[in-house]
Amino acid sequence: QKEVEQNSGPLSVPEGAIASLNCTYSDRGSQSFFWYRQYSGKSPELIMFIYSNGDKEDGRFTAQLNKASQYVSLLIRDSQPSDSATYLCAVNYNTDKLIFGTGTRLQVFP
Amino acid sequence: ETGVTQTPRHLVMGMTNKKSLKCEQHLGHNAMYWYKQSAKKPLELMFVYNFKEQTENNSVPSRFSPECPNSSHLFLHLHTLQPEDSALYLCASSQTGEGDAFFGQGTRLTVV
Repeated sequence: QKEVEQNSGPLSVPEGAIASLNCTYSDRGSQSFFWYRQYSGKSPELIMFIYSNGDKEDGRFTAQLNKASQYVSLLIRDSQPSDSATYLCAVNYNTDKLIFGTGTRLQVFP
Repeated sequence: ETGVTQTPRHLVMGMTNKKSLKCEQHLGHNAMYWYKQSAKKPLELMFVYNFKEQTENNSVPSRFSPECPNSSHLFLHLHTLQPEDSALYLCASSQTGEGDAFFGQGTRLTVV
């Protein structure tokens, strides 16, 4: 059973701080990794993807991948209250199949 | 039109009813998916279609029946559902080989 694990949270950070969201996965054959954001009552939306070991930056977001440790993380710099949402980690095992974690709820307080 | 459109947005049905969920994508993608999202559980992949061919049936009960008449449309036919089938049903599409998915707004299904 391929699994993607996330801490459900909530993770509470003050406005302006760095939020660090973590995810581990079970299958070493995983190819690509995605972070989705889901606001309450809304559908998930893709915010970052990463394929290679190391860091990938996009604006205030940085995705980090360590395949040896089977670990992927998302850093949100200068967190804003509008970043408050559930963040879903997803792993691609084949070219057309995504497996999701349960998500981490992030709360950014003013 | 937005990228992935699902109808209806909300559905209440009895256990003896038959209903269908509809999904339409305007992104030119080749793959379409049905996911189920229940409280406190990860998104569960139900079905995958690539170029209109079903490539994945993730041990879904036969009371859920998918249909993909073309690469832009996807249906989920429902019959004799159980109360535990109440959930948010999400349709998604992706360009085959890229793995990322664009989601519709979902159908909130309640089985009474």
